[in-house]
Amino acid sequence: EPEVTQTPSHQVTQMGQEVILRCVPISNHLYFYWYRQILGQKVEFLVSFYNNEISEKSEIFDDQFSVERPDGSNFTLKIRSTKLEDSAMYFCASIPGQGSYEQYFGPGTRLTVT
Amino acid sequence: GNSVTQMEGPVTLSEEAFLTINCTYTATGYPSLFWYVQYPGEGLQLLLKATKADDKGSNKGFEATYRKETTSFHLEKGSVQVSDSAVYFCALSDQGAQKLVFGQGTRLTINP
Repeated sequence: EPEVTQTPSHQVTQMGQEVILRCVPISNHLYFYWYRQILGQKVEFLVSFYNNEISEKSEIFDDQFSVERPDGSNFTLKIRSTKLEDSAMYFCASIPGQGSYEQYFGPGTRLTVT
Repeated sequence: GNSVTQMEGPVTLSEEAFLTINCTYTATGYPSLFWYVQYPGEGLQLLLKATKADDKGSNKGFEATYRKETTSFHLEKGSVQVSDSAVYFCALSDQGAQKLVFGQGTRLTINP
C-alpha cells in the first residue's frame, strides 16, 4: 500500500542552524501539508501546498520557514535559523485532490534543537 | 476560529471495557469530523470520519456520530483490546482539501 515517507526520523541540530525536513508524498497526490506537534501539545497546521505554491499557512509559518517541491516527488520543509522552540515532531501529509477527506500522514521527523 | 476540545487523558481501561472519548468542536460552517489514531512510533492514521450531521463513522469496532445540536463527535467502542492502546485525536476540516484542526489527543492504555 502506498505511504507517505519522511526522512530523517530524528534530527538534532544546534540553535541557529538551518534544517531541511524531507517528505515523499504518495505519488498521485496533489495537495501537501506540514504539521507539527510540540511534545505534549496539539498537532498544529503549518502550511498547505498545491500546484507548486502555498495555498494556506498558519501564524507559526513565519519567514524562517519555507516549503518546496523541488523534483516532483519530494516535498521539503526548511527552517532557516532554528530556535529552541522549533523542537517538535513534524508531520507531512498528502491527499489525492479536493473533496478527498482523508489526509495520509507520514511517520514524522522528530526535530531537537539544542 | 475553528477549534476542537477532547477529554483530558490519559485514559486507562481493562480489556473488554467500554470506551468513550469525548470530543466537542467549534466551527463557523459545516465541518467534516475525523478521529485519527497514532500507534507508538507511527504516524497518524485515519480511524473514521463523518462529513455531515447525523452521519455515523465506524471502523475496527469504533464508532462516532456527528451531532450538530451538541457540536460533538464522541468516540466509542464496546469492548476494547490491548491492541487499541494508542493516542486518539479528534479533528475537523471545513472542506475537503482544507487543513485539519486537531484536539489535544487522548492517550489510551488498555491493560490485559
